[in-house]
Amino acid sequence: GAGVSQSPSNKVTEKGKDVELRCDPISGHTALYWYRQSLGQGLEFLIYFQGNSAPDKSGLPSDRFSAERTGGSVSTLTIQRTQQEDSAVYLCASSLVLGPTYEQYFGPGTRLTVT
Amino acid sequence: TQLLEQSPQFLSIQEGENLTVYCNSSSVFSSLQWYRQEPGEGPVLLVTVVTGGEVKKLKRLTFQFGDARKDSSLHITAAQPGDTGLYLCAGAPDDYKLSFGAGTTVTVRA
Repeated sequence: GAGVSQSPSNKVTEKGKDVELRCDPISGHTALYWYRQSLGQGLEFLIYFQGNSAPDKSGLPSDRFSAERTGGSVSTLTIQRTQQEDSAVYLCASSLVLGPTYEQYFGPGTRLTVT
Repeated sequence: TQLLEQSPQFLSIQEGENLTVYCNSSSVFSSLQWYRQEPGEGPVLLVTVVTGGEVKKLKRLTFQFGDARKDSSLHITAAQPGDTGLYLCAGAPDDYKLSFGAGTTVTVRA
């Protein structure tokens, strides 16, 4: 498919375990974003990547969260020592260029449940 | 505190009725976007409004950007069950990091 894909679609993990969430953006899109969506809270910006520039990590809630983007394409969001408050839907989006008026195309998300 | 406040949080109406969703802020935005999200899917962009006072129409959906570029509204005429979903407004007040409202869950009953 031509859209943004994310895997896994669902992840249940025990508190304290590490998890990796994957995002495959639309081919050719230089900007990639990660968001977290909690019930009733809307979308919370986590991090974005733009081409070869240093990522903006200002939205990461703690140092347990990290992300990388290899080869300007696939991105992985890693959460170490997961906590119950990390339970949420993690959404990835990509766009052709970086900017507030450019359409961001979202993936279906990964629902993370920490037990 | 949400940068963008959406109201109402929930809206349930009968097919054929009209509805309006509001998105308000104390900040000025260069643009605002509206998204619709269905269960198990990511948000899909409906429209971007850029100019203060701008009105955009998308079939039965009408979007308005406030003159001061601090607020926006989404009006749906003759709602249909297919309009059911979570409606989100989003904006970037001073850079390109979008801030989202908490969303309005719209349910249109057949």
